[in-house]
Amino acid sequence: ETGVTQTPRHLVMGMTNKKSLKCEQHLGHNAMYWYKQSAKKPLELMFVYNFKEQTENNSVPSRFSPECPNSSHLFLHLHTLQPEDSALYLCASSQDQTSGSFSEQFFGPGTRLTVL
Amino acid sequence: SQQGEEDPQALSIQEGENATMNCSYKTSINNLQWYRQNSGRGLVHLILIRSNEREKHSGRLRVTLDTSKKSSSLLITASRAADTASYFCATFASGGSYIPTFGRGTSLIVHP
Repeated sequence: ETGVTQTPRHLVMGMTNKKSLKCEQHLGHNAMYWYKQSAKKPLELMFVYNFKEQTENNSVPSRFSPECPNSSHLFLHLHTLQPEDSALYLCASSQDQTSGSFSEQFFGPGTRLTVL
Repeated sequence: SQQGEEDPQALSIQEGENATMNCSYKTSINNLQWYRQNSGRGLVHLILIRSNEREKHSGRLRVTLDTSKKSSSLLITASRAADTASYFCATFASGGSYIPTFGRGTSLIVHP
């Protein structure tokens, strides 16, 4: 469908668990993004990485920890989450963060996270 | 306050009819983009319109932008059941911002 894949597609975790979400893009892009999509709320940008450097942290709680080891991979490490963190987490990429504002972002299918 | 807000929140039409969705925003923008999201999936880019453009077409899609009213509309002509999805506008504030602001979206249902 797109050149951005996310795993797992579904995740159920307890509040004391530690888990990680993975995103991989096969488009040769240099910017990657994490978004949170909750029911009846606008899509929220969480983090932006440009050439492996974090350029944006949109006041995200520290229980969410991103990691970008290279331009193709992006992780979101989760620990001690709250039930209100349940949402669809979407990864996206663009050529770089500047062009991402003047051209499209390519989204992965998302990870549906449920925190019990 | 939200930058992009779509209207209506939900729209239900018959196949073959046209669907119009609107997006309003509050601050000056560089460009505005429309995305589609099928249930439980990622967003797919539809069309981008720059602040100095007034209208763009792509297939059955027509987007207009009125910067004086800070609003945009997305028209889908001759709708099909496969157009059933949520539609979002994303705005990029002027000044070189690369941070998009999305609205809550319009949920479109096209009945066969």
